Amino acid sequence: GQNIDQPTEMTATEGAIVQINCTYQTSGFNGLFWYQQHAGEAPTFLSYNVLDGLEEKGRFSSFLSRSKGYSYLLLKELQMKDSASYLCAVNRDDKIIFGKGTRLHILP
Amino acid sequence: ETGVTQSPTHLIKTRGQQVTLRCSSQSGHNTVSWYQQALGQGPQFIFQYYREEENGRGNFPPRFSGLQFPNYSSELNVNALELDDSALYLCASSSDRDSGNTIYFGEGSWLTVV
Repeated sequence: GQNIDQPTEMTATEGAIVQINCTYQTSGFNGLFWYQQHAGEAPTFLSYNVLDGLEEKGRFSSFLSRSKGYSYLLLKELQMKDSASYLCAVNRDDKIIFGKGTRLHILP
Repeated sequence: ETGVTQSPTHLIKTRGQQVTLRCSSQSGHNTVSWYQQALGQGPQFIFQYYREEENGRGNFPPRFSGLQFPNYSSELNVNALELDDSALYLCASSSDRDSGNTIYFGEGSWLTVV
């Protein structure tokens, strides 16, 4: 996905915290999205970071460091319904370019 | 509900055939982007249309083509279908007047080529 790198799979336990990392090339960067995608469904928007720092939205938080080309999505108090793929996507010259996604498995 | 509708939702085509997928964008949105998502992969950018003109293209061959109409709805056409074209095709609409986080995806069209 045009040098957007994120782990292929992760496993975590219900009630725990998990951090999904994403690195990207910084050329033409306008912002960074995180999307959630359940199997067989379209992606749904979680967050959009333009400036450096942490943005919190309920159980989900997203962090961005533009100088390092690095972001993470933090999921707290994991629930079984959080089992999904999480897509990191870069707004590059007003086109959204996606990584390959991270499949998150939640164990009871 | 995002206000972006795609049709058909599912279809099966034979190798070598042609297919047209349709997308109605969110009201007020003048930009439509198309993505191909193969099983287990992230969406891959095909192209974007802005005010009826192609405005950027990903690494897809010319047999992938598109249109945008005056009402900003859009079509994706794929000629000479190949087995590897089997995928979920996603349409996303946005407006050049809004910030980047107002980008809405449709539910997608599942294409199977046999």
